This record gives sequence, C-alpha cells and structure tokens, in this order.
Amino acid sequence: GAGVSQSPSNKVTEKGKDVELRCDPISGHTALYWYRQSLGQGLEFLIYFQGNSAPDKSGLPSDRFSAERTGGSVSTLTIQRTQQEDSAVYLCASSPRVGSPLHFGNGTRLTVT
Amino acid sequence: GENVEQHPSTLSVQEGDSAVIKCTYSDSASNYFPWYKQELGKRPQLIIDIRSNVGEKKDQRIAVTLNKTAKHFSLHITETQPEDSAVYFCAAADSNYQLIWGAGTKLIIKP
Repeated sequence: GAGVSQSPSNKVTEKGKDVELRCDPISGHTALYWYRQSLGQGLEFLIYFQGNSAPDKSGLPSDRFSAERTGGSVSTLTIQRTQQEDSAVYLCASSPRVGSPLHFGNGTRLTVT
Repeated sequence: GENVEQHPSTLSVQEGDSAVIKCTYSDSASNYFPWYKQELGKRPQLIIDIRSNVGEKKDQRIAVTLNKTAKHFSLHITETQPEDSAVYFCAAADSNYQLIWGAGTKLIIKP
C-alpha cells in the first residue's frame, strides 16, 4: 500500500519567508511525528500527534515553528520567518499506534538562502 | 527522562566480518527498542526491533540482544556486505511511548 507521503520533496526559500511542509500519513495510522535532520546528523524530534490527544510540542525549537493535524490525518509543519539554520531535511513518520514501528516519509529538504 | 547513548559513531569493518553497534539507555521502564537503517539520501527504515520481554531476536544476518539489567541493547550484523553500508540508529521507547534516539553509527564496509 501507499507509504508516508511528504511534499514538497525540495524547497528553497529566502530568509524571512514562511514555509509549509505537508505530510500524508499511512491511512489508519493514529500517531504522527515530525523530525528534523541536519546534514550528517541524527534525528531531532519536533512534534508528535496521537489521535485526538493534545500534541506533544516539546521538541519545537522556537515559536516560529508550529504544526497542525487536521481530521486526524494530514499534517502541516509551518516555519515562519525562516532562518538559515532552519536548513535541514524534515522527516515525517507515522505508526498505527503508540509503541509500534515508525514508517518514515522521504522527507522535505529545506534550503534557506 | 530517557537518554540513549550509541557507540561507536563510526565503524569500519572488512566485508564478510561481523559488526556490532551498542546502545545504552537510562529509563528502566523502557520496553521497546527498534533499530533503523538510513542509506545515504534515503529515509530511515526499520530493520529489527525487540521488546523487553525477550532477550534476543534474529532475522537472517541481523540480530538484536537486550540486557535489561545493564540497560543496554546491541545490533549484530554477520557476514557484512557492501549494501550494509549506512547509518544505523537505535531508539528506546520511554514510559510515554515516545522514541528517544541514539546519535547514529556510520557503518562502512570495506571491500
């Protein structure tokens, strides 16, 4: 079946602009995660959605970052007033329930010039 | 909270030899330990996982062992092949089922 889909695959933006990154999780998966991965680095947790519960936003690096998940499915990560240090690959993952394996999307490579 | 340390950061082995990557965790309540493989430019993919009610799990050339007393778990790859070259990440699920990740190990298979 279809995996986790992220769009766009690449995004180049000018410093100070806002960007929106989209994630379509696997159908029926209740848990959705956003991670950030800088070049050659590990996975930095950003935010986690589980069903209708309040999201865990503990990993968001600043108030410029926000995310929402509409209808328990599609999620959008928004970065306002982008900075050069925001340049990274943003990975989305979903799982059928807590404690289950994560399925990652191919990521969005964000470059802030 | 949970903390996961992963060693080594880089591992270079001769093709055909075995590779071992080790992770330690701090939260004794953690009960789920997956390993992910990330090839260059690709997404992380689950290769094997283990739950706290077993001590070892094997899948062909890959095995994971868990020592709950010492709070460490290890990935073992036997008869390494060039396609095993990648970055490997361990993780541990804390009491909130949130995955805490290791920093990754770059595995290089020398021909």
